[in-house]
Amino acid sequence: RKEVEQDPGPFNVPEGATVAFNCTYSNSASQSFFWYRQDCRKEPKLLMSVYSSGNEDGRFTAQLNRASQYISLLIRDSKLSDSATYLCVVRDGDRLAFGKGNQVVVIP
Amino acid sequence: EAGVAQSPRYKIIEKRQSVAFWCNPISGHATLYWYQQILGQGPKLLIQFQNNGVVDDSQLPKDRFSAERLKGVDSTLKIQPAKLEDSAVYLCASSLSPGDGLEFFGPGTRLTVL
Repeated sequence: RKEVEQDPGPFNVPEGATVAFNCTYSNSASQSFFWYRQDCRKEPKLLMSVYSSGNEDGRFTAQLNRASQYISLLIRDSKLSDSATYLCVVRDGDRLAFGKGNQVVVIP
Repeated sequence: EAGVAQSPRYKIIEKRQSVAFWCNPISGHATLYWYQQILGQGPKLLIQFQNNGVVDDSQLPKDRFSAERLKGVDSTLKIQPAKLEDSAVYLCASSLSPGDGLEFFGPGTRLTVL
């Protein structure tokens, strides 16, 4: 079983709609969780951390479910500029494990 | 603040040739990472340095890959000899502390092995 699993998609989303996706992680002892964003042919960049109580940053909301070992990301009022791959990241000890990403394509 | 610098940006070589990549992390960042990202996959950690010491190289194919960070700043990653399956983007990242989640990535080196 892979450390971090994501459905790669693509997730085709009409502009202005809401999209949500999850990732699951295998190590129940994992300590910290993050979402990174990666634009096409660019490097990954930190989008937001995921706290036990959830985290909201503008149109983006992240949730953590430790019991079921999954993390979610919700994007409201999607913009064309939200088109990217969203990488789920889990901290294990002193290193980060990346999922393969959820590709989001916002359609005009 | 200057970001993570990498060179070259692109490299095309033939199989069995050697290649080297260079990375200069953000000033003051003690932790440096090399990742391999194959098309359609997430970044896979190859090696992690804390200053000039290796913290984790469990996923580095040591028969052909090597990396060093001699003075605890710049780092080089070498592949010798290259195989077709090494075609990927090689990303360097740095952070203040290991595993803090705040990793800053360089633009990457896109390697094509023919």
